[in-house]
Amino acid sequence: AQKITQTQPGMFVQEKEAVTLDCTYDTSDQSYGLFWYKQPSSGEMIFLIYQGSYDEQNATEGRYSLNFQKARKSANLVISASQLGDSAMYFCAMREINFGNEKLTFGTGTRLTIIP
Amino acid sequence: KAGVTQTPRYLIKTRGQQVTLSCSPISGHRSVSWYQQTPGQGLQFLFEYFSETQRNKGNFPGRFSGRQFSNSRSEMNVSTLELGDSALYLCASSLDRERQNFGPGTRLTVL
Repeated sequence: AQKITQTQPGMFVQEKEAVTLDCTYDTSDQSYGLFWYKQPSSGEMIFLIYQGSYDEQNATEGRYSLNFQKARKSANLVISASQLGDSAMYFCAMREINFGNEKLTFGTGTRLTIIP
Repeated sequence: KAGVTQTPRYLIKTRGQQVTLSCSPISGHRSVSWYQQTPGQGLQFLFEYFSETQRNKGNFPGRFSGRQFSNSRSEMNVSTLELGDSALYLCASSLDRERQNFGPGTRLTVL
């Protein structure tokens, strides 16, 4: 079973609009972390935002916020006021923090294109 | 602070050869992880090193190996290269368990 599911292979959004990128996850662990990374065409993975499973408030980092719905196992990324530079691949990832297993598991990604 | 650096950035090899990729983590970071990214399989975890010890390993054949030195620099080796090993290899270092900082990657092409 997929641990991280990103159901939107591609999205086109008008500049300055807000955009929501979907991510659902599957884990039986109580302690885990959820991440979003951005990958421009250059290839480098850029950290955007982190949410711990015990964090009660949704994480925010500038224009990025994470809509964390634990019961639904959902961790959607919201980008407010999108910019042309936001065009990139976006990956949702999870780290299950149990003994001996702290790797990041990534989703398949969403290619976001911002239209001027 | 300098970011994670990876060398070389691009590499072309032929089937059967071996290759060594290098990763220098951010100063002070003791954990280094390696990932393989391909169009077909996406991003897959290879292994993680912490204080010169392999702490976690993904589901890759034994041809893929790595090591970490006392200065936290890490190398990844792939022996007997196959066409399917063509990929972007990403290295990430971390200080805490909340963020992994990635390098620019090494793009390996196997002919």
